[in-house]
Amino acid sequence: KNQVEQSPQSLIILEGKNCTLQCNYTVSPFSNLRWYKQDTGRGPVSLTIMTFSENTKSNGRYTATLDADTKQSSLHITASQLSDSASYICVVRLEGSARQLTFGSGTQLTVLP
Amino acid sequence: EAEVAQSPRYKITEKSQAVAFWCDPISGHATLYWYRQILGQGPELLVQFQDESVVDDSQLPKDRFSAERLKGVDSTLKIQPAELGDSAMYLCASSVQGDTEAFFGQGTRLTVV
Repeated sequence: KNQVEQSPQSLIILEGKNCTLQCNYTVSPFSNLRWYKQDTGRGPVSLTIMTFSENTKSNGRYTATLDADTKQSSLHITASQLSDSASYICVVRLEGSARQLTFGSGTQLTVLP
Repeated sequence: EAEVAQSPRYKITEKSQAVAFWCDPISGHATLYWYRQILGQGPELLVQFQDESVVDDSQLPKDRFSAERLKGVDSTLKIQPAELGDSAMYLCASSVQGDTEAFFGQGTRLTVV
């Protein structure tokens, strides 16, 4: 069964600190992987997308990595801000099947002042 | 900036009542998705449209849920009768085609009492 597992389930850090969120997937065949940020009560917003051949992708203070061999991805947040408090969801798309998106359950990040 | 519009933002209904949600995708987006997201979990696909046709409704509880996109533009998701377990966020998303980035609306938060 195609699955996406995220860890930790929740994380609390102090403002200004860095953190790393993990995503492991069993989705195959793999097309791409996206990290979304979802603020409370809002829809998800895409942060990064990576295909099989990409190892890293940055978007400001967000840096995503992908190891397609071990089927692992991480999202690193640098110099966290209060506005980073949100759920971060890892989403993997199957190759060759336009309709197959598999969502992780998300990591709930809380940044404290 | 173009966005996916959803209404209402919040809905409280009594169990056994009917409820409907509306979504207007980004102009020109042929693919429209309805997702259900239970608190603390990732979104789960309910139905996917390509223009006015349903391409995937395998996870839609058809005994009580229905969805339509009659003219291939906006869409309505209906629940009748609503049950307590239907309380969730209902997210609409659209993409140019099924394998391109999905943009999400802000969602409708449904509470069934």
